[in-house]
Amino acid sequence: GDSVTQMEGPVTLSEEAFLTINCTYTATGYPSLFWYVQYPGEGLQLLLKATKADDKGSNKGFEATYRKETTSFHLEKGSVQVSDSAVYFCALSADNYGQNFVFGPGTRLSVLP
Amino acid sequence: GAGVSQTPSNKVTEKGKYVELRCDPISGHTALYWYRQSLGQGPEFLIYFQGTGAADDSGLPNDRFFAVRPEGSVSTLKIQRTERGDSAVYLCASSLAGGIGDTQYFGPGTRLTVL
Repeated sequence: GDSVTQMEGPVTLSEEAFLTINCTYTATGYPSLFWYVQYPGEGLQLLLKATKADDKGSNKGFEATYRKETTSFHLEKGSVQVSDSAVYFCALSADNYGQNFVFGPGTRLSVLP
Repeated sequence: GAGVSQTPSNKVTEKGKYVELRCDPISGHTALYWYRQSLGQGPEFLIYFQGTGAADDSGLPNDRFFAVRPEGSVSTLKIQRTERGDSAVYLCASSLAGGIGDTQYFGPGTRLTVL
């Protein structure tokens, strides 16, 4: 079945460091790919998405490119801030009717001042 | 506009009891989803509604779990004879039409604790 694998956390970085969180997927068909973020005490929020190969999603300085050849959707940010501390979830939607998402286990990011 | 809301935010119950969890989706969204998130894990799909009908209930773990959406808006997740293993955060999400690229908007969740 469809699955998402993420790099294990926690990831701890200093402010202004470069961030990469790896995400790879297995899916039949042509999935849409998403990154969701969960800030402390809050619900899941969409961070960015890409719906076809080579698309780049971006938001709040974060970027991820849909790479079909490597089945990857790695999340990057050039300079993290303390306020980026959260849990990041990679997800795919691959059913014919997008019935549900398959989520990765999440990666906890802590950014230190 | 208003987002997805869920009530209660916390529910503590005893093993063997019955519970109902409510989800109020974003107005006009035809697709509604329930997920379960255990500590330290990503959300796991339970059931998907398109309008009033359950289009996919393949994620429900067993027949103790049931969900309804009688008028195509509010949904209720019902758990009978609760077990300690049912303890988790139950998330509801809605999307405009349920298409493959549609963004799902999540509620804050209901934290269920079964003692």
